[in-house]
Amino acid sequence: GNSVTQMEGPVTLSEEAFLTINCTYTATGYPSLFWYVQYPGEGLQLLLKATKADDKGSNKGFEATYRKETTSFHLEKGSVQVSDSAVYFCALSDHIQGAQKLVFGQGTRLTINP
Amino acid sequence: DVKVTQSSRYLVKRTGEKVFLECVQDMDHENMFWYRQDPGLGLRLIYFSYDVKMKEKGDIPEGYSVSREKKERFSLILESASTNQTSMYLCASSLSMGLVAGELFFGEGSRLTVL
Repeated sequence: GNSVTQMEGPVTLSEEAFLTINCTYTATGYPSLFWYVQYPGEGLQLLLKATKADDKGSNKGFEATYRKETTSFHLEKGSVQVSDSAVYFCALSDHIQGAQKLVFGQGTRLTINP
Repeated sequence: DVKVTQSSRYLVKRTGEKVFLECVQDMDHENMFWYRQDPGLGLRLIYFSYDVKMKEKGDIPEGYSVSREKKERFSLILESASTNQTSMYLCASSLSMGLVAGELFFGEGSRLTVL
């Protein structure tokens, strides 16, 4: 079945460092790809998404490009802030039983130190 | 402001108890989902519903059931709680968009401890 693999955390960086969180997927067909973020004590919220190959999703300084040839959707940010500390989840869409569900990776905890 | 509300943030129950987790959304979404979140395992889908009174099993439905009597409400039921059901439970909803995956809106989660 469809699946998502994220780089293991936790990841700890200093403020203004460059961030990459790797995400690769296995899927049949052409899924949409997502990054969700979970800040401490909160539910998940959509960070960005891409719906077809070579699309780039971007939001709040984060970017990810849908790479079909490498089946990847790596999350990047050029200069992280303390407020980016959160758990990040990569996900893909999977059509089942007349509805679209999301399949999530295991999550990567990111801590940014001042 | 869109909202998914889970009735309890923290619950402590005993083995064998029946547990109800309630979720309400105010966005008129067709689809609703229950996931559980465990460290190192990410989110795993328990059940979902794409219409009132409709329910479908997700990846880990064993030990759980659900109820959707009204469009805005989706309940998760643990018939006889066990310690391995200690977890964070997340409810989510989305619009039906055919073959396009709509954005999931999540509640804040219900942390259940089974003693």
